[in-house]
Amino acid sequence: NAGVTQTPKFQVLKTGQSMTLQCAQDMNHNSMYWYRQDPGMGLRLIYYSASEGTTDKGEVPNGYNVSRLNKREFSLRLESAAPSQTSVYFCASRKDRASNQPQHFGDGTRLSIL
Amino acid sequence: AQSVTQLGSHVSVSEGALVLLRCNYSSSVPPYLFWYVQYPNQGLQLLLKYTSAATLVKGINGFEAEFKKSETSFHLTKPSAHMSDAAEYFCAVSDPAYGGSQGNLIFGKGTKLSVKP
Repeated sequence: NAGVTQTPKFQVLKTGQSMTLQCAQDMNHNSMYWYRQDPGMGLRLIYYSASEGTTDKGEVPNGYNVSRLNKREFSLRLESAAPSQTSVYFCASRKDRASNQPQHFGDGTRLSIL
Repeated sequence: AQSVTQLGSHVSVSEGALVLLRCNYSSSVPPYLFWYVQYPNQGLQLLLKYTSAATLVKGINGFEAEFKKSETSFHLTKPSAHMSDAAEYFCAVSDPAYGGSQGNLIFGKGTKLSVKP
C-alpha cells in the first residue's frame, strides 16, 4: 500500500536554484495539498488542489508554484530558492473536499537551501 | 477564522502514566476535529477523528479523545504510556459549514511527547 509518495526524500540546493518536488497518490483521491513544516510552527498550507484541474493558494504561497498534472500527481516548484524556504515539505491527499474527510500524508521531503 | 491551540509544546510522562495532550479550538459552530501523530522522520498518521457522531472517539494505539462543546476542547488521552508513544502530536480542525478552502485543515503547532522509562 503505497498511499502518498514524495520524491526526493532529501535535497540540498544553493540560493537561486530551482527544483520541483513530486507527489503522487494511488488512492483515487480528488483533493491534494502541499504543506511546509518548520519547528514550532506546525504545518502551514502552501497550495492545494480541491479537484483535478484546479489549484488555489493556501496560507504561505509566496515563492512557490504548483501543477496538478493529473488526478494522481501534484507537484510543487521553487523557481528561485531562498534560505527561508529551508523546511520539510509534506504532500497530502483527501478523498474529496468534504471537511469531515481526513488527509493522508507522504513521508516528506527535507529541503535545505544554502 | 478557525484556529486551534495546543497547550504545551513539550510534555513528558513516565512509562505507564496517563497521557493527556490538550487541544482547544475556536469556532462558531462545532467543527470536525482530528489528531495526528508524527514519528521522527516520518509523515503524519491519523490517530482519530471527530465528525459529530459520538463525543468520545477511540483511535489507534489505545488513544482516545473527548469532544466537549462547552469547553471547545478535544483533548487526547491514553491511560498508560508506552515508550513507543514518544512522538509529536498534532490537533487539526476544519469547519463543517463549508467546502472548498474553508474545509481545509488548520493545524495546531504540535506537542512533543517524551516517555521516560
